[in-house]
Amino acid sequence: QVQLQESGPGLVKPSETLSLTCTVSGGSVSSGSYYWSWIRQPPGKGLEWIGYIYYSGSTNYNPSLKSRVTISVDTSKNQFSLKLSSVTAADTAVYYCARDHGGITADWGQGTLVTVSS
Amino acid sequence: EIVLTQSPATLSLSPGERATLSCRASQSVSSYLAWYQQKPGQAPRLLIYDASNRATGIPARFSGSGSGTDFTLTISSLEPEDFAVYYCQQRSNWPPGTFGQGTRLEIK
Repeated sequence: QVQLQESGPGLVKPSETLSLTCTVSGGSVSSGSYYWSWIRQPPGKGLEWIGYIYYSGSTNYNPSLKSRVTISVDTSKNQFSLKLSSVTAADTAVYYCARDHGGITADWGQGTLVTVSS
Repeated sequence: EIVLTQSPATLSLSPGERATLSCRASQSVSSYLAWYQQKPGQAPRLLIYDASNRATGIPARFSGSGSGTDFTLTISSLEPEDFAVYYCQQRSNWPPGTFGQGTRLEIK
């Protein structure tokens, strides 16, 4: 059973870069069967897909965030990461990492709340 | 981008009743639609994928139907633990995997 765990700062200042890491256990980020995704949820609101990375390193991002997002993978640590630059209060959300199989998101991390505030 | 519209926004029912939740797509997504359940403070849980396939470990009281633009999630007899928020998501035009805005199922 794969498990995913998000980690990173819970508070980020406006205009700075949000950085989160997802550690995967019980599965490998090098698996060719899955996409490793980030999804976020502002407090009290719905879900927004941010992007994914494939084991090969290829990425795909939500067009609405594409200019600010970078997702990378570290196969030696079995982790993948999210960077979101130039954050504003609108980026305050619970950020989830997840394992995707062609758009079917069966495995999720527990989520981590990131607040953007000075 | 495909827009998913869920209805109703809130559904108030009692345990033992049947729940019917709707998801409508702005264009055809074939059968590439999933349903998720989310309880407060928890991550979403996959219930149904590709319109009608139950995910691993999901009770038989949950069923999905539909194709094209109109989809339904049915809970045949509500258990107390089923009261939550439900989201649909399409993967026909993936990425991005757009979600509906959610239906809150509350106890009447």
